[in-house]
Amino acid sequence: AQSVSQHNHHVILSEAASLELGCNYSYGGTVNLFWYVQYPGQHLQLLLKYFSGDPLVKGIKGFEAEFIKSKFSFNLRKPSVQWSDTAEYFCAVNEGNAGNMLTFGGGTRLMVKP
Amino acid sequence: GAGVSQSPSNKVTEKGKDVELRCDPISGHTALYWYRQSLGQGLEFLIYFQGNSAPDKSGLPSDRFSAERTGGSVSTLTIQRTQQEDSAVYLCASSLGMGQETQYFGPGTRLLVL
Repeated sequence: AQSVSQHNHHVILSEAASLELGCNYSYGGTVNLFWYVQYPGQHLQLLLKYFSGDPLVKGIKGFEAEFIKSKFSFNLRKPSVQWSDTAEYFCAVNEGNAGNMLTFGGGTRLMVKP
Repeated sequence: GAGVSQSPSNKVTEKGKDVELRCDPISGHTALYWYRQSLGQGLEFLIYFQGNSAPDKSGLPSDRFSAERTGGSVSTLTIQRTQQEDSAVYLCASSLGMGQETQYFGPGTRLLVL
């Protein structure tokens, strides 16, 4: 079965620090990749997604992610975080040729200190 | 336009009682998904509806869980004889149902089984 791993469970950064959150998945076939964010008290929102094409994708609020097929990875990055980026971040994958259900990683709680 | 809505937002019930959770997807979305978010298990897929096709029930944890989708729109997730381990946030998502696409999530129903 498909699995998704997020290695960092909790991350604490100061404002303006750079961010990289790791995500690795296990499926060897065609995949669609997503990062969702859940701000405190809010529901899951899409940050960015990769289906095909340029492996470097840009999302909202200055976030980007790079799909590296050889490493089965889809790490999320932001060059300079803000206090408002405090949230929980989820990596998710679905298999391109199967049903569209998402398999989620365990999530990373990010706290940005002002 | 309106997003995915879910009701109730919170539900407290006693062990052994049945509960019904409701999801209204985004208008025009033919695909509807239920997920569960719990402390111990993270975000897990439960069931997926696509148009008039038979639902994919592969994620339902036991036969106490069932879901239906009437008229291709509103869905109800029913949990019979609730147990304390059913306590979680139940999330509904919908998508266009045309292949590679984004799932849009509702705010969830927080279920507490006493």
